Amino acid sequence: DIQLTQSPSTLPASLGERVTISCRASQSISNSLNWYQQKPDGTVKRLIYSTSTLESGVPSRFSGSGSGTDYSLSISSLESEDFAMYYCLQYATYPLTFGSGTKLEIK
Amino acid sequence: EVQLVETGGGLVQPGKSLKLTCATSGFTFSNAWMHWVRQSPEKQLEWVAQIKAKSNNYATYYAESVKGRFTISRDDSKSSVYLQMNSLKEEDTAIYYCTWPGSKYWGQGVMVTVSS
Repeated sequence: DIQLTQSPSTLPASLGERVTISCRASQSISNSLNWYQQKPDGTVKRLIYSTSTLESGVPSRFSGSGSGTDYSLSISSLESEDFAMYYCLQYATYPLTFGSGTKLEIK
Repeated sequence: EVQLVETGGGLVQPGKSLKLTCATSGFTFSNAWMHWVRQSPEKQLEWVAQIKAKSNNYATYYAESVKGRFTISRDDSKSSVYLQMNSLKEEDTAIYYCTWPGSKYWGQGVMVTVSS
């Protein structure tokens, strides 16, 4: 199985700050990576698919990049609604696997 | 508007069975590859199972942790996907989500608690 190591597990940050979350795969996943946001009420939304394609309606302050085994999600200028949990998912091979999550919290 | 609505969760004893249903609308279900994903109380997400479309012979795939105990199925006439869960274990306790890769949103999830 492909392991996804997501870091940091907790990320304290301030409004307006730029942050980056990392997701490292145990082997190449050929850009087959999505990023998800989960709000405290449990609502899950995909923000980015195929490493860097922004979902419609998702603010442009979100961006994704990476290749091979190393991927990242960046938020250019944090807004209040961005404080949530974030997860990466690889779908290159079965079983699909998730990162362990990053809690983005207000500093 | 795409909708995914999970039902069928609840409290069940270890070793018992439960069947989850995900009713969908707003897209061409018969062509859709559907997944079940679960989230443990520790907030870890785990992919559970996938079922492909009729054109793919309804191929199914499972996580090792549920293989042989869980069965994913679908009824295209009802635009619904199911998860039959047998021989439940306490570690199956989770919120179960139905997902379709064509939508950025998941269902709201349904809680399954396995406890004596």
